[in-house]
Amino acid sequence: KQEVTQIPAALSVPEGENLVLNCSFTDSAIYNLQWFRQDPGKGLTSLLLIQSSQREQTSGRLNASLDKSSGRSTLYIAASQPGDSATYLCAVNYGQNFVFGPGTRLSVLP
Amino acid sequence: DAGVIQSPRHEVTEMGQEVTLRCKPISGHDYLFWYRQTMMRGLELLIYFNNNVPIDDSGMPEDRFSAKMPNASFSTLKIQPSEPRDSAVYFCASSLPGQWDEQFFGPGTRLTVL
Repeated sequence: KQEVTQIPAALSVPEGENLVLNCSFTDSAIYNLQWFRQDPGKGLTSLLLIQSSQREQTSGRLNASLDKSSGRSTLYIAASQPGDSATYLCAVNYGQNFVFGPGTRLSVLP
Repeated sequence: DAGVIQSPRHEVTEMGQEVTLRCKPISGHDYLFWYRQTMMRGLELLIYFNNNVPIDDSGMPEDRFSAKMPNASFSTLKIQPSEPRDSAVYFCASSLPGQWDEQFFGPGTRLTVL
């Protein structure tokens, strides 16, 4: 069974801290993995997409890594800001289906 | 509950033709989202509605794409004229009032434009 888990479920940090969100998946035969941000009342916003052949992707203060063999991905957020407060989801694309993790709810306190 | 219903499940058309994708959200859900998924770009939000009103269509790729939600139980995504690069899986999702963080996805429509 293809399952995706995320740890922690919720995280609260003071502004300026660097933080890491974790995503684990049981089936390593993935096409790609995507990190999303979800704000209240809005759809999913894609942050980073890592193809199965890649090890990491960077966008601004965000860096996502992928270790297919161990079934893990991390999202690193540098110098967190209150505007980063949202729910972060990872989603694994297996080609025929797309499996979401439950998300990590992040609060960055000013 | 039948979940989010999308039709057709598969659509094959020729370049230049009009394509209409349909979605029936879960009854009682007031948010409706349209997404497009490709292997290269992953899942992208195209547009979303709240109480039948389009809230954000900034993800719609170009004017060839349009979406409507004439009532709470039906939405369409139309592409006119279609192009080969529109080939993708199109997902519709809905969520309950105040539970925006739990979107229920439909099975998707796999569109192939030849």
